[in-house]
Amino acid sequence: SQQGEEDPQALSIQEGENATMNCSYKTSINNLQWYRQNSGRGLVHLILIRSNEREKHSGRLRVTLDTSKKSSSLLITASRAADTASYFCATVEADSWGKLQFGAGTQVVVTP
Amino acid sequence: EAGVAQSPRYKIIEKRQSVAFWCNPISGHATLYWYQQILGQGPKLLIQFQNNGVVDDSQLPKDRFSAERLKGVDSTLKIQPAKLEDSAVYLCASTGGGSYNEQFFGPGTRLTVL
Repeated sequence: SQQGEEDPQALSIQEGENATMNCSYKTSINNLQWYRQNSGRGLVHLILIRSNEREKHSGRLRVTLDTSKKSSSLLITASRAADTASYFCATVEADSWGKLQFGAGTQVVVTP
Repeated sequence: EAGVAQSPRYKIIEKRQSVAFWCNPISGHATLYWYQQILGQGPKLLIQFQNNGVVDDSQLPKDRFSAERLKGVDSTLKIQPAKLEDSAVYLCASTGGGSYNEQFFGPGTRLTVL
């Protein structure tokens, strides 16, 4: 079974707009990671947020984590056509040797 | 730095046939993972190796799937016999170790079982 559930399942926006997607999970975690997957570059790590962190930034990406609600969000600002991809959250539980448990993903389409 | 290599990239077989996938992780990465990604879903971990030892194979269908990492470097995943529901992309990933390290993924092998 999958740990994370992303919302929405699909998102269509225009270039320059912001894209926000959410992830909910079920168990206590050590950290949460976001990955991007497209046909050109496969599955690529975007950002990792530890369980004791609340917010993290990387370029145009902003991730938040609320462990009390067992949820995370990924914000992509000023989106570009190249951001078109599927985005997955993946959780790592404590004592799991770094095992990633992925959600089903959010498909994002950015129209020029 | 070379990435994770996988071969073949595509494979089409008939059900009940066998198939093998190969993965070469990033040099020096002790931890290697095999994931199965069915269309429209996120990747699901099949097996995790730490050097040449198995750390987690709880979701590996052991009646038909097997994997090895004999010298702690390359790994092979085998399916014998294949079923229609095994059609998926098989992803290999590696990391230097620890829970706070990102995983680096290979391009995957797309398997179609007819």
